[in-house]
Amino acid sequence: DAKTTQPTSMDCAEGRAANLPCNHSTISGNEYVYWYRQIHSQGPQYIIHGLKNNETNEMASLIITEDRKSSTLILPHATLRDTAVYYCIVRVANSGYSTLTFGKGTMLLVSP
Amino acid sequence: DAGITQSPRHKVTETGTPVTLRCHQTENHRYMYWYRQDPGHGLRLIHYSYGVKDTDKGEVSDGYSVSRSKTEDFLLTLESATSSQTSVYFCAISGTSGRRVPSTDTQYFGPGTRLTVL
Repeated sequence: DAKTTQPTSMDCAEGRAANLPCNHSTISGNEYVYWYRQIHSQGPQYIIHGLKNNETNEMASLIITEDRKSSTLILPHATLRDTAVYYCIVRVANSGYSTLTFGKGTMLLVSP
Repeated sequence: DAGITQSPRHKVTETGTPVTLRCHQTENHRYMYWYRQDPGHGLRLIHYSYGVKDTDKGEVSDGYSVSRSKTEDFLLTLESATSSQTSVYFCAISGTSGRRVPSTDTQYFGPGTRLTVL
């Protein structure tokens, strides 16, 4: 699976949009981009995933660049409960036995 | 979340004792996984299951065994707990695919079990 690079930490004011970048310059054509987050002491929570088109669900939007070498997770109106570590993961489709490889992620701190 | 519970949520035990952790799902998902999370290592896969009585090893399976006698339950057993197995254990489920191997279907995680081995 391709390696990802994320900033170590980011800050965001409550109510503002949080834009979390992820670089995956070695991504292959059959690899998906997944985003998870982990709030302190809780299990990882799935947020969204995509292949090449932008995606939106009730939690967030995922913007993938045309060359697919980077993506941005957007939380449109961040709240204090969005404070968490956010993980960008790239996975091969139909790879057989595989695991989710969580890197260090981005610690997002949402402040009042 | 995705109908996954883990029990117990916290456990303290002594070195050499057997420990069994339970993962229960109400989603009828085919695939189930056990991970452990430690500082500096992220999540690491211990074992996974691709069906009733069908299991396989992950990257850190030594010292652990699993069983799955029903779709909804996946048990993780530490036959003789050691201090190096002190960790937070997460169960995950995925997929409705009929493929034998884990697919890229989204994995949903349970709340975790914090295990301390003294």
